[in-house]
Amino acid sequence: LAKTTQPISMDSYEGQEVNITCSHNNIATNDYITWYQQFPSQGPRFIIQGYKTKVTNEVASLFIPADRKSSTLSLPRVSLSDTAVYYCLVGDGNRDDKIIFGKGTRLHILP
Amino acid sequence: SAVISQKPSRDICQRGTSLTIQCQVDSQVTMMFWYRQQPGQSLTLIATANQGSEATYESGFVIDKFPISRPNLTFSTLTVSNMSPEDSSIYLCSVENGLAGSGGEQFFGPGTRLTVL
Repeated sequence: LAKTTQPISMDSYEGQEVNITCSHNNIATNDYITWYQQFPSQGPRFIIQGYKTKVTNEVASLFIPADRKSSTLSLPRVSLSDTAVYYCLVGDGNRDDKIIFGKGTRLHILP
Repeated sequence: SAVISQKPSRDICQRGTSLTIQCQVDSQVTMMFWYRQQPGQSLTLIATANQGSEATYESGFVIDKFPISRPNLTFSTLTVSNMSPEDSSIYLCSVENGLAGSGGEQFFGPGTRLTVL
């Protein structure tokens, strides 16, 4: 049973802000929300992680509402190189907590 | 962060043969994970490998088909045995960020692209 639900695909244009929303209705109290980016022929790469409210780093922002049942990854001013698959995961990192990848969102940036 | 390398990066194998994939990490880690990613699909966890103990396999994966070794804290191997074309996938290893409060963040290797003819 997938823990998260994301749109299968999204298109956007260079220079635009892209927001990808993930639903995780059954998130547990100790769970973090983690986003990964995967380019073709590469392993997934950590983008950002948060527990609540807003987190920002040099790559993206992560918005988490108070109920934590969803989260939104925000990519500012995307470029063609941001074309990738983006995965949202939830988990607390304990050994008994299996990391389950959902289907991810295939983001396609157009010129 | 951890730097992970995998060998081979890709291989083409004949049906019925076996391939052993190596995963090397630049730091000591307790848990290593092996994933499979079939073409155009998401990642599926095969097993979790702890040093000094038997690997723990996920539903649908068995030790006879995917034997795993974990001889030390920086190295692991996954063997894909008696291969069939259905085993054609990318196989990835990963490790956890061991820092407290990391929430299960993982670092992934570049993957091994396996094609079975």
